[in-house]
Amino acid sequence: DAEITQSPRHKITETGRQVTLACHQTWNHNNMFWYRQDLGHGLRLIHYSYGVQDTNKGEVSDGYSVSRSNTEDLPLTLESAASSQTSVYFCASSNKPGQPLTGELFFGEGSRLTVL
Amino acid sequence: DAKTTQPPSMDCAEGRAANLPCNHSTISGNEYVYWYRQIHSQGPQYIIHGLKNNETNEMASLIITEDRKSSTLILPHATLRDTAVYYCIVRVAGQKLVFGQGTRLTINP
Repeated sequence: DAEITQSPRHKITETGRQVTLACHQTWNHNNMFWYRQDLGHGLRLIHYSYGVQDTNKGEVSDGYSVSRSNTEDLPLTLESAASSQTSVYFCASSNKPGQPLTGELFFGEGSRLTVL
Repeated sequence: DAKTTQPPSMDCAEGRAANLPCNHSTISGNEYVYWYRQIHSQGPQYIIHGLKNNETNEMASLIITEDRKSSTLILPHATLRDTAVYYCIVRVAGQKLVFGQGTRLTINP
């Protein structure tokens, strides 16, 4: 079955280190998204992509970057991790090419990042 | 994207219908109403969406008012597993989802 997977599921790192969270989907979806979720803030959009070589900033993009070199993957990089980036990160994807646009996003199980 | 307003929390008895309201008075003509839910710490799950007409699927029904300024998600026979945070979102199809605070629905035995 097609799916969306995130790795690692749990990670502890130190302030200042570079961290990359992986997101891989096998639905051949055009669109991919990264969200973070913190208590009291709900889900906030970090970056998103509507296709290969396309990336866009979301509402909380500072300190994060993404690249889309193929359809299946959208890795999220924290260039220099900060304690404020301790959070749960969710990746999502949607929209197969050539099919009608829908609203259904498929989410991964999340990656819990702790920055000490 | 249009803003939505939802009550922060609701309770419902198991087996009864849960009716979750959402106000979206600034919705534009090409924006759909979407509902997602998030159970505990899992990733959000799509429930249903609609534009103008009422919609029903195996999970829920969506009732949209004629002026489209509000909608109600109906879980016809709520179970304990329906306890979750429910998000109402309006957006153009295919575009990014922006989540609000949602409604924390608790189903009581």
